[in-house]
Amino acid sequence: DSGVTQTPKHLITATGQRVTLRCSPRSGDLSVYWYQQSLDQGLQFLIQYYNGEERAKGNILERFSAQQFPDLHSELNLSSLELGDSALYFCASSGGAGAVGNQPQHFGDGTRLSIL
Amino acid sequence: AQTVTQSQPEMSVQEAETVTLSCTYDTSESNYYLFWYKQPPSRQMILVIRQEAYKQQNATENRFSVNFQKAAKSFSLKISDSQLGDTAMYFCAFMKPGEGNDMRFGAGTRLTVKP
Repeated sequence: DSGVTQTPKHLITATGQRVTLRCSPRSGDLSVYWYQQSLDQGLQFLIQYYNGEERAKGNILERFSAQQFPDLHSELNLSSLELGDSALYFCASSGGAGAVGNQPQHFGDGTRLSIL
Repeated sequence: AQTVTQSQPEMSVQEAETVTLSCTYDTSESNYYLFWYKQPPSRQMILVIRQEAYKQQNATENRFSVNFQKAAKSFSLKISDSQLGDTAMYFCAFMKPGEGNDMRFGAGTRLTVKP
């Protein structure tokens, strides 16, 4: 158990819809990262938050947005969904208080999003 | 931009034998961190081993060890005494130092351990 919790585990919806994926980081971790893994592909970095602020941005579509709340949980919002958005979405966390930036990321179990 | 290349899409090994997975990366940074993650059929991402670039000694975790060649920008993973449970996708990842940097992943190598 990595300590990172993602909900829901599975999500099935239709094109054009909007969904929200939720992530609770490991206790004490300040950084949250979101990744997208399409079928049989590697992980693509989407966005990272540190202590409530956006810290780094990857290949995230304008239809996607995220935020990190004061309790450090994070949500990834996906809107105007397309068939190609079907993927496994991972959240990872790292960087507890006092970390010097070399902490590995610990991953949640992912949310499998299927667009019909 | 940092890139990570895993040139072996698929590999197989007999149970109890040794296998080496390759990874190369491109960066202009002098200090950074490298990781190997395992993704079994359950799709979880599990940290296998990590290496800090400023450390010359190769990291080792039980049956897993790395061969880190900084000048060649190479970071291979050796799995000794392969077990059926090692069957998984293996991803090499690169991370710059500093708080809150994202990791860049390779495309992965699918390893099958055969009985």
